[in-house]
Amino acid sequence: AQTVTQSQPEMSVQEAETVTLSCTYDTSESDYYLFWYKQPPSRQMILVIRQEAYKQQNATENRFSVNFQKAAKSFSLKISDSQLGDAAMYFCALSGSARQLTFGSGTQLTVLP
Amino acid sequence: DTAVSQTPKYLVTQMGNDKSIKCEQNLGHDTMYWYKQDSKKFLKIMFSYNNKELIINETVPNRFSPKSPDKAHLNLHINSLELGDSAVYFCASSSLPGRGINEQYFGPGTRLTVT
Repeated sequence: AQTVTQSQPEMSVQEAETVTLSCTYDTSESDYYLFWYKQPPSRQMILVIRQEAYKQQNATENRFSVNFQKAAKSFSLKISDSQLGDAAMYFCALSGSARQLTFGSGTQLTVLP
Repeated sequence: DTAVSQTPKYLVTQMGNDKSIKCEQNLGHDTMYWYKQDSKKFLKIMFSYNNKELIINETVPNRFSPKSPDKAHLNLHINSLELGDSAVYFCASSSLPGRGINEQYFGPGTRLTVT
């Protein structure tokens, strides 16, 4: 069985500052993928960033980057230069051989002007 | 052009009724999924389906059934609706390469309210 844990139910950040959202996971598989999804109040699920477990290099997408620590089973998301539009619920997710996503419980991010 | 669409976006119905939620994707993907998001925002897989295999989460009651008329559609039928079925239901799709990242694209969600 796969599990994903997000230990921060809520986070806040000042506009233009940097924030890091934590995620840990557990899986017995060696080949898996990790994702961060964003869900704004519109409830649309938006893919933010993806990481293949076999790649050592951390993924980066513009202001979003991850810190992937495979041995520690940790996958944190860093948002740089935070913007008001970044305010949303952020979900960490894991996909293994079954291809289904296992989600964490989410972190509600508030961006303060 | 909507990649993954769901209808309806809102559905209000009474206990005991039978209802369906439709999902369509125009991405050419061969695998589709249904997820349930409860009132605490927790997301859980219900089904995944491609033309070869249906994988059902064992916790899903058999009142829920996916039906796929073709590769671009995966509808969700729910019989004898219960209060606890109230939630947001998301459809998603992905391609299923032999090896490669399984990036899923989500529909806008259907908020189901059972009264």
